[in-house]
Amino acid sequence: AQSVTQPDIHITVSEGASLELRCNYSYGATPYLFWYVQSPGQGLQLLLKYFSGDTLVQGIKGFEAEFKRSQSSFNLRKPSVHWSDAAEYFCAVAAGTASKLTFGTGTRLQVTL
Amino acid sequence: GAVVSQHPSWVICKSGTSVKIECRSLDFQATTMFWYRQFPKQSLMLMATSNEGSKATYEQGVEKDKFLINHASLTLSTLTVTSAHPEDSSFYICSAPYRGQNTEAFFGQGTRLTVV
Repeated sequence: AQSVTQPDIHITVSEGASLELRCNYSYGATPYLFWYVQSPGQGLQLLLKYFSGDTLVQGIKGFEAEFKRSQSSFNLRKPSVHWSDAAEYFCAVAAGTASKLTFGTGTRLQVTL
Repeated sequence: GAVVSQHPSWVICKSGTSVKIECRSLDFQATTMFWYRQFPKQSLMLMATSNEGSKATYEQGVEKDKFLINHASLTLSTLTVTSAHPEDSSFYICSAPYRGQNTEAFFGQGTRLTVV
C-alpha cells in the first residue's frame, strides 16, 4: 500500500527566508507525486506534480520540488517565503495521473513578518 | 483550467437528518470522481471512488449505507450523508480527474458539514 509521511507538523519561517517542506513516500512502483496547498476552510490548489523526466519540478508561486528516488523523497522548496504563503501544505502520491490520491498528514506553515 | 464545483460550501443539519452534497465538473466530463473527508487539523482521507453509471467503490471502514454516492451523469456526483450524527461533522471534498494533455485531478471547494 502506498503511504506518505510529512515529518513536520508545523513550521514557522520569517518572511523572505527560504523554505523546505519534507515529504517521504512509500510506493512499490514509479510514483506520481504532488504538492497541494490549502488555505483555511478552502479546497486544494495544486502547486506542482512529478510524473517522470526531470527530477526538479517547477510549480506555481515560485515553488519547486525535487524527486529523489534513492531517498524516497519529494521535498518542496521556495527560496523566499511571502506572508501569503502561510497555509497547510499536503504531499500526495498516486498510482497514476487520474488515480486516487494518498495524502500525507500535512505541514502547517506560519510566516512571521 | 478545468473547474470542479461543489455545493453547498457549508451546511448545518440536525442529528438524524440527511444531507446531500453535489460535485460537478463544469467544463469537462468525469467518469470517475473521488470523495475525501478531512477532520479538523487532519489530512484528507479517501472515502470512496464514484463511477458514472455503476456502483461506487468504498474504502475500508467507510459505511456505504451511511454515505450514499450517486454518479448519474458524466458531470455530477452526489454524496448523501444519511442519518447524520455529530461525529459526521467534517470537511468533505471531491475531486475529478481532467484528462487533457496533462491529466490532473481538480478539487472542489469543499463542504463544511456540521451536525448539531
